[in-house]
Amino acid sequence: AQRVTQPEKLLSVFKGAPVELKCNYSYSGSPELFWYVQYSRQRLQLLLRHISRESIKGFTADLNKGETSFHLKKPFAQEEDSAMYYCALSGVGYSTLTFGKGTMLLVSP
Amino acid sequence: GAVVSQHPSWVICKSGTSVKIECRSLDFQATTMFWYRQFPKQSLMLMATSNEGSKATYEQGVEKDKFLINHASLTLSTLTVTSAHPEDSSFYICSAGTKGVHNEQFFGPGTRLTVL
Repeated sequence: AQRVTQPEKLLSVFKGAPVELKCNYSYSGSPELFWYVQYSRQRLQLLLRHISRESIKGFTADLNKGETSFHLKKPFAQEEDSAMYYCALSGVGYSTLTFGKGTMLLVSP
Repeated sequence: GAVVSQHPSWVICKSGTSVKIECRSLDFQATTMFWYRQFPKQSLMLMATSNEGSKATYEQGVEKDKFLINHASLTLSTLTVTSAHPEDSSFYICSAGTKGVHNEQFFGPGTRLTVL
C-alpha cells in the first residue's frame, strides 16, 4: 500500500530563516511525488513535482529514493509562504494521488 | 491555467435530505475527476475516482449508494449525498485531471456541507 508521511503538523519559523518540510513515502513501484499548497481561504494548488526539477517561489524538493523522502526546502522563508503544505504521491502512469496529512507553515515577521 | 469550479460553495440541509454538488472544468476537458473529503484540520481523503461515461471507482470504506457520483460529460461531475446525516457534514473537494498533463490534478474550491 502506498503511504505518505508528513511528521510535522506545524512548523513555525521567523522570516528569513531556512525552511524544510519533511515528507517520507512508502511505495513499491516508481513514484511520482508532488507538493501541493493551500493558502488561507484558497483552493489547493500544485507547487511543484519531482519530475520537473524546478524551483517555484524559491522552494525546491529532491526525490531521495534511498531514504524514500521528498522534503520541501526554502533557504529564506517569507511571510507569504504561510500556508498548509501537502506532500502527495502517485504511481507512474496512474492518476490517483495519495496525500500526506499536511504541515502548516507559519512564518512570523 | 486550468480552472475547476464547484457549486454550491456551501450548503446547509436537514437530516434525511439529499444534496447534489457539481464540479465543472471550465476551460478544459477532464477525462478523470476525483472527489475528496476533508475534515477540519485534516488531510484530503480520496472518496472516488470517476471517468467520463463510466462508473466511478470508490475507495475502500466509502458507501457508493450513499455518495452517488455521475460523470456525464468531460466537463461535469456530480456528487450526490443521499439521505444526509450530521456525520456527513464535511468539506467536499473535487479535482479534475487531463490527458497529456501527466498526473496533474486541478482542484475546485470545495463545498462546505452542514447537515442539521
